[in-house]
Amino acid sequence: EVQLLESGGGLVQPGGSLRVSCAASGFTFSSYAMSWVRQAPGKGLEWVTGISGSGGTTYYADSVKGRFIISREYSKNTLYLQMNSLRVEDTAVYFCAKNQGQLVDYYGMDVWGQGTTVTVSS
Amino acid sequence: QSVLTQPPSASGTPGQRVTISCSGSSSNIGSNTVNWYQQLPRTAPQLLLYNTNQRPSGVPDRFSGSNSGTSASLAISGLQSEDEADYYCATWDDSLNGWVFGGGTKLTVL
Repeated sequence: EVQLLESGGGLVQPGGSLRVSCAASGFTFSSYAMSWVRQAPGKGLEWVTGISGSGGTTYYADSVKGRFIISREYSKNTLYLQMNSLRVEDTAVYFCAKNQGQLVDYYGMDVWGQGTTVTVSS
Repeated sequence: QSVLTQPPSASGTPGQRVTISCSGSSSNIGSNTVNWYQQLPRTAPQLLLYNTNQRPSGVPDRFSGSNSGTSASLAISGLQSEDEADYYCATWDDSLNGWVFGGGTKLTVL
């Protein structure tokens, strides 16, 4: 069974940094692209970033470009999202999602984790 | 404001057929296939349809999708109370180089 388990969320001050993780199991991690999608309180879904199965290609939403970094560690089957220069508007539940194939730009997200909550507030 | 436009709400009675629209542009729906997601209250989204009209295993054939030009639609036939949820369309945008979602449609079963 494919499972995604996010961790690392919490409360951080504006301008601060936080790294969230996503432990993947039940599939060949290197064969699939992965994405982060967030949902602000009471709002809709917003794709944040994605990384190809090989790790060689990454994409970012304009709202986080230059502040967030996506990476993956194959030995641990883990996806990361390093969030820097956090803003109040980054407050959201962050979902880790598996894409349906190797490429972020061709395959959509088919399995989602339960999410981890990030709150940016002073 | 979302790149893809969905009606904020839709409703129907049990057994009815309802449709939810998703409007985009030539750089997204006009060039790429559409996925639909269902989000039940207080849960993570689940893939409902991919490649515009393909159902993952376990999704009943009451759910179907189509697209025409720069718009897509989700149809739910034989509406059931358990279908009450938020529904989102999504596709890749060639101009933005990223995935874009609709704002979501809250479906109420009366």
